[in-house]
Parts: sequence; C-alpha cells; structure tokens
Amino acid sequence: DAGITQSPRHKVTETGTPVTLRCHQTENHRYMYWYRQDPGHGLRLIHYSYGVKDTDKGEVSDGYSVSRSKTEDFLLTLESATSSQTSVYFCAISESAKGASNQPQHFGDGTRLSIL
Amino acid sequence: GQNIDQPTEMTATEGAIVQINCTYQTSGFNGLFWYQQHAGEAPTFLSYNVLDGLEEKGRFSSFLSRSKGYSYLLLKELQMKDSASYLCAVRAPWGDDKIIFGKGTRLHILP
Repeated sequence: DAGITQSPRHKVTETGTPVTLRCHQTENHRYMYWYRQDPGHGLRLIHYSYGVKDTDKGEVSDGYSVSRSKTEDFLLTLESATSSQTSVYFCAISESAKGASNQPQHFGDGTRLSIL
Repeated sequence: GQNIDQPTEMTATEGAIVQINCTYQTSGFNGLFWYQQHAGEAPTFLSYNVLDGLEEKGRFSSFLSRSKGYSYLLLKELQMKDSASYLCAVRAPWGDDKIIFGKGTRLHILP
C-alpha cells in the first residue's frame, strides 16, 4: 500500500472555526491532491499540488486553502468552516506527470469531517 | 464540459458475471481508470486503459472504445467481497495530471 497518512481521521467542529487537515506521504511523489466525496457527487477535486509551494485550484476550491512546504506534507485548511463543508475528505498522491501515463492516484484512508 | 456517466446501482448474484458501463464526454483523453471503493474506505486502483480493447487482470477485465467514449468493467465469478462502489475516472490531457471521477456504481452481491 502507498504510504499515505491522513490526520485526523474524524473531526467534529462548529461553524466558523478554522480546521486544518493533514496529508503525509512517504513515497516522495510529486503530485498531491485533496478531494471531497459527498453522496450524489462522487469525488471532486478541491486543490492539488505539483511540487513544493506549487499549488492550484480544483473544481470546488471556494472556502479552502492549501499549503505544501515539504514534499511529504500537504495541508488543507478551512478558514471558517461551514455546514456545507461537512464531507469525507481524501488525499491522493501520484508519481507521474502529464501524458498517457498508467500511474494511478493512490488514496489515503480519508477524514470524516462534521461541521455543526 | 466534462461528463462521466455510470449507473448508480446494480445487483448481481454470487458466482455470476456483471458488467458495469461507463460513458464519458471530455475535451481530450489520456486514459481511463477503474477504482473499487468499499463502504467507509479509500478508493483502490483496479485498472487502466488508454488504447482500445480489453485488459484482463484475473477476475476483472476492463474494455475501452475511444471512438464511442465508452468503457466497461467486467467482474467474473462474483464473490461477496466484491460488494462495493466502482468508480470510472478519466485522465485529462490538460493541466497537471488531473483525473475526473464519475459518481460511482454501487454493486450489491446477493448470495
């Protein structure tokens, strides 16, 4: 299994509070991703990183920020959590770059976040 | 826009064969992935197709037709542990290694 650790695994917090989720990898992969998964929507990309300090937005980036100061760590921050951000968050990593590469994304075990 | 369609739910019997279809409309194509996701767990990689045809991996096979924007995942000799969601995903040729996921097909296996 790919060495990906997400923390925390579960969190309950209140609306308006800041929340930071951490993804740590031991594979030295260049690409890291944050997704959310909600019933009826599937996996949706929030932000991704293609190197240290290199990040870009995905399709549902509003209300989220990310940082990557080291190859192994990718942080997702909800500056002021809202109930609509209640979801399961998955981190993923991949080795390859562009083109028709057969390298898949590998996923962490997820963080279940509830915002009351 | 980008769109990936797959059935929401399917039911099959233990020991049987099931085919899960996926159609996609994307502005470009650099390969198609199938993932398996058990309830409460992370998606895990099953297969990858970039050329037309069938790729076989044990009990699982995946087929691709690029001209039709169509793929299927074939599961043979179904086992109870195959009860899971199956996600179809397309790799985009734009940007950095982005993958667009379908909403997944939940497969129920009956004894």
